[in-house]
Amino acid sequence: EAQVTQNPRYLITVTGKKLTVTCSQNMNHEYMSWYRQDPGLGLRQIYYSMNVEVTDKGDVPEGYKVSRKEKRNFPLILESPSPNQTSLYFCASSLRGTLSSYNEQFFGPGTRLTVL
Amino acid sequence: DAKTTQPPSMDCAEGRAANLPCNHSTISGNEYVYWYRQIHSQGPQYIIHGLKNNETNEMASLIITEDRKSSTLILPHATLRDTAVYYCIVRWHQTGANNLFFGTGTRLTVIP
Repeated sequence: EAQVTQNPRYLITVTGKKLTVTCSQNMNHEYMSWYRQDPGLGLRQIYYSMNVEVTDKGDVPEGYKVSRKEKRNFPLILESPSPNQTSLYFCASSLRGTLSSYNEQFFGPGTRLTVL
Repeated sequence: DAKTTQPPSMDCAEGRAANLPCNHSTISGNEYVYWYRQIHSQGPQYIIHGLKNNETNEMASLIITEDRKSSTLILPHATLRDTAVYYCIVRWHQTGANNLFFGTGTRLTVIP
């Protein structure tokens, strides 16, 4: 089944304790991205990757890191989490990342992170 | 800034057609109209997209006006499982090549 998976689905942690949220897709997609969703603010892009070893900042990259060593995986790293990073996180992928082509994005199920 | 305007909420009786409007008066010639929906706290789900012509798939129909300044998503026979927030997207955000700017969407409630 074609899908985007995220782990963990729920995480409660404490300020400053490094964590990684994994994202994997099995559709051979070139483009992957991370969003966070907060009440009243909608979905905002954190980082995106056009292809392996190519990543770039989205709208709200502060406090996050990403890497794209393999096509299928795009982990989100919080080196020193803070309470304002408490949010619902979504990973997404699409076949291509260009503006000119049709690009349905497939979203993962979400990771609900709480930083105390 | 949001480039689409949608009503914040709508109700629809189960089994009836749900018609969700979207205004996008500043759409440019090559921009597509995409519709996604998000069922409570799940990942957004693609529904349909179009450029100029009306489109239909197994989930919905998309009607785009001739001047492309507005569109309507039609769910022909709404079910309780269609209760969700529906997002009309016609612009890519300035940062991020394939960033989707979801805006606030329309919360559709299907009533039994």
